Amino acid sequence: AQSVTQPDIHITVSEGASLELRCNYSYGATPYLFWYVQSPGQGLQLLLKYFSGDTLVQGIKGFEAEFKRSQSSFNLRKPSVHWSDAAEYFCALTTSGTYKYIFGTGTRLKVLA
Amino acid sequence: EADIYQTPRYLVIGTGKKITLECSQTMGHDKMYWYQQDPGMELHLIHYSYGVNSTEKGDLSSESTVSRIRTEHFPLTLESARPSHTSQYLCASSEFLNTEAFFGQGTRLTVV
Repeated sequence: AQSVTQPDIHITVSEGASLELRCNYSYGATPYLFWYVQSPGQGLQLLLKYFSGDTLVQGIKGFEAEFKRSQSSFNLRKPSVHWSDAAEYFCALTTSGTYKYIFGTGTRLKVLA
Repeated sequence: EADIYQTPRYLVIGTGKKITLECSQTMGHDKMYWYQQDPGMELHLIHYSYGVNSTEKGDLSSESTVSRIRTEHFPLTLESARPSHTSQYLCASSEFLNTEAFFGQGTRLTVV
């Protein structure tokens, strides 16, 4: 069965510091992968997606993610965090021909001024 | 602007009441979904639809029901609300399978 694991429940970084949020997945083939961000009281906004091709994908708000098949990972990165990035981040996958989006439990990011 | 809308955003209601959570999208997407989200938990799919007159239950057992009479509209109904239904409900849509899902802002339901 497919699954998504986000090992870090909470992460705290200082404004201006770099950020990496981890995401590991379990699936026998290449999944379709997504990162979403959720601000308090809001829905989920898509940051970026990976379907195929270049393993380094660029997203909105200066985020990028790298797909590593050998590590079954799809980590999210940002070189310099802004206070407005404080939110909850969800990694998700779907697989060919299915209706299911499988989400991780999320990582809550706190940004220190 | 193409978007997906949920109303109400917040709802506090008494036990036993019937409620309908509204979801509408202007993107013409055939696929629509309802997720339930509790703090610190992953999103759980409770209903989905492939198109008009097509609805299926998701992975998480839910006492709610849905309908899809129009492409743009996918309401969720609870016939008799209970405190265990207290949660955030997120509606989403996608153009095709395996493309990104677009989410509404959610309805936070509290049953007292």
